[in-house]
Amino acid sequence: GIQVEQSPPDLILQEGANSTLRCNFSDSVNNLQWFHQNPWGQLINLFYIPSGTKQNGRLSATTVATERYSLLYISSSQTTDSGVYFCAVEPGSGGSYIPTFGRGTSLIVHP
Amino acid sequence: KAGVTQTPRYLIKTRGQQVTLSCSPISGHRSVSWYQQTPGQGLQFLFEYFSETQRNKGNFPGRFSGRQFSNSRSEMNVSTLELGDSALYLCATTEGQNNEQYFGPGTRLTVT
Repeated sequence: GIQVEQSPPDLILQEGANSTLRCNFSDSVNNLQWFHQNPWGQLINLFYIPSGTKQNGRLSATTVATERYSLLYISSSQTTDSGVYFCAVEPGSGGSYIPTFGRGTSLIVHP
Repeated sequence: KAGVTQTPRYLIKTRGQQVTLSCSPISGHRSVSWYQQTPGQGLQFLFEYFSETQRNKGNFPGRFSGRQFSNSRSEMNVSTLELGDSALYLCATTEGQNNEQYFGPGTRLTVT
């Protein structure tokens, strides 16, 4: 099946810093989503971005489907950004719809 | 619109018992997918239901099963619970295939 790798696995920032999270995938995808999992386990939608660039406040994301990667940018980080960020993809070939998640990037933002 | 709801939120069971978890989708969403999240294996896809039919299935043993009702609400059942079934069980709903997924808050299952 498709492989999804996220980097870095862990990230520690001071409030106000910027960061870039990366998601690499091994095959073509029909869609790609970024999620933020809060400390209570809730997965919150950040972006639905199979290709192109989107922005939402301090967050933005870019997916380059032809090169099989996506980037999530967090600017001026806040303590509330802490949590785990997941990338999830749906394979674009093989006829099987098995959504696959990366292992996540654990982000801690210190005040 | 109300979000995805899951019940119960927390559950403690004993090895060998069975458990049923429930997921109510966002109004208008017809697809419900179930995931298991553990520290060791991460987030893994269990199965997906659409229009009361299982449309896709992940790599889990037959002890894990599910169903979907005509109102799109879904239940998953785990029989003969094992310690390794302790996990956060999440459901996600979409309008159809290749659409944005929305997750519920999860059910945290502990098997003792």
